[in-house]
Amino acid sequence: GEDVEQSLFLSVREGDSSVINCTYTDSSSTYLYWYKQEPGAGLQLLTYIFSNMDMKQDQRLTVLLNKKDKHLSLRIADTQTGDSAIYFCAESIYEKLTFGTGTRLTIIP
Amino acid sequence: DTEVTQTPKHLVMGMTNKKSLKCEQHMGHRAMYWYKQKAKKPPELMFVYSYEKLSINESVPSRFSPECPNSSLLNLHLHALQPEDSALYLCASSQGGSSGSYNEQFFGPGTRLTVL
Repeated sequence: GEDVEQSLFLSVREGDSSVINCTYTDSSSTYLYWYKQEPGAGLQLLTYIFSNMDMKQDQRLTVLLNKKDKHLSLRIADTQTGDSAIYFCAESIYEKLTFGTGTRLTIIP
Repeated sequence: DTEVTQTPKHLVMGMTNKKSLKCEQHMGHRAMYWYKQKAKKPPELMFVYSYEKLSINESVPSRFSPECPNSSLLNLHLHALQPEDSALYLCASSQGGSSGSYNEQFFGPGTRLTVL
């Protein structure tokens, strides 16, 4: 089947904004999620968006959803060194969560 | 308590060994999941238990055998594994419920398995 696609790498200077993009596959996905994974750890849910929304803001995080293009993005404002991690988008269909390929975010001091 | 715990943290086993991975949650969740994550790859779903019944098996080889003794516990029994089965095994739980409803999955820290 098709993969949920993300760019593999993103480098951002500390204090700048990071934008991580995701193209998902199933237009019937009701919820879309962003997870963060630090080295050697499990996954931490950062935020989610319901499919009938265009945008959701949660402190430093902004999620944008373009349902027509099946495009999801995560913006992290004022990126800090603690934001270094791999970020996965995920689409939810019934009980199944299908993850994107993951974007490794590196912060440049 | 919003924690999913997994034991052991690390496991090294030979191809003829039998071992088990354990997962526990006390959030009253009714759905529990096993994922496999290879290095530099996303997690891939293996099994889903809903209300203690196996609801999804993603064509996983029979050398992996899941068990859900009660709603708080999930085991993964391993037998005759291959070196390519070495990976991080993640457990997750969620409220469960009808399709289309919000169903946040809470993940444990994983068991890093090495098969020699």
